[in-house]
Amino acid sequence: EAQVTQNPRYLITVTGKKLTVTCSQNMNHEYMSWYRQDPGLGLRQIYYSMNVEVTDKGDVPEGYKVSRKEKRNFPLILESPSPNQTSLYFCASGLTGGTLYGYTFGSGTRLTVV
Amino acid sequence: AQRVTQPEKLLSVFKGAPVELKCNYSYSGSPELFWYVQYSRQRLQLLLRHISRESIKGFTADLNKGETSFHLKKPFAQEEDSAMYYCAFNDMRFGAGTRLTVKP
Repeated sequence: EAQVTQNPRYLITVTGKKLTVTCSQNMNHEYMSWYRQDPGLGLRQIYYSMNVEVTDKGDVPEGYKVSRKEKRNFPLILESPSPNQTSLYFCASGLTGGTLYGYTFGSGTRLTVV
Repeated sequence: AQRVTQPEKLLSVFKGAPVELKCNYSYSGSPELFWYVQYSRQRLQLLLRHISRESIKGFTADLNKGETSFHLKKPFAQEEDSAMYYCAFNDMRFGAGTRLTVKP
């Protein structure tokens, strides 16, 4: 089944403790992206990747890092999480950036930083 | 600036009533627009692409370049349509979303 898989689904952590949220897709998509979803703010893009070893900042990149060493994986790294990073995170992938076929989303990761 | 605006954060209608979720855009050139839907506790799913001019789950959306709009419409809302709806450009810039509630 074609899908985008995120792990974990839920995570509670403490301020400053490094964490990684994984994202993997099995559709050979070139484009991958991370979003955070907050009430009243909709979806805001954190980082995106047009292909392997090519990443770029979205609208809200502060406090996050990403890497794209392989086509299928696009982990989101929080080096020193803070409470304002408590949010619902989504990973998405698409054939290419700007594809006319739309994008496939993961199930989301609900992160709480205390 | 190129952006998508969804002016209504919340929209409530009764079952069987028509529903229209508004999406306005500012874009230089010809935009490619999509509607995504997120049912409760689920992932976002692609609902419609303007380029395909299709009807999915009874929903349609027409790109109106004169009014710079891409409103989502359904003539008879169903309770299962209750969800969060996002309008987006094909480069993945999203509007803030509209939460639709269809009451019995």
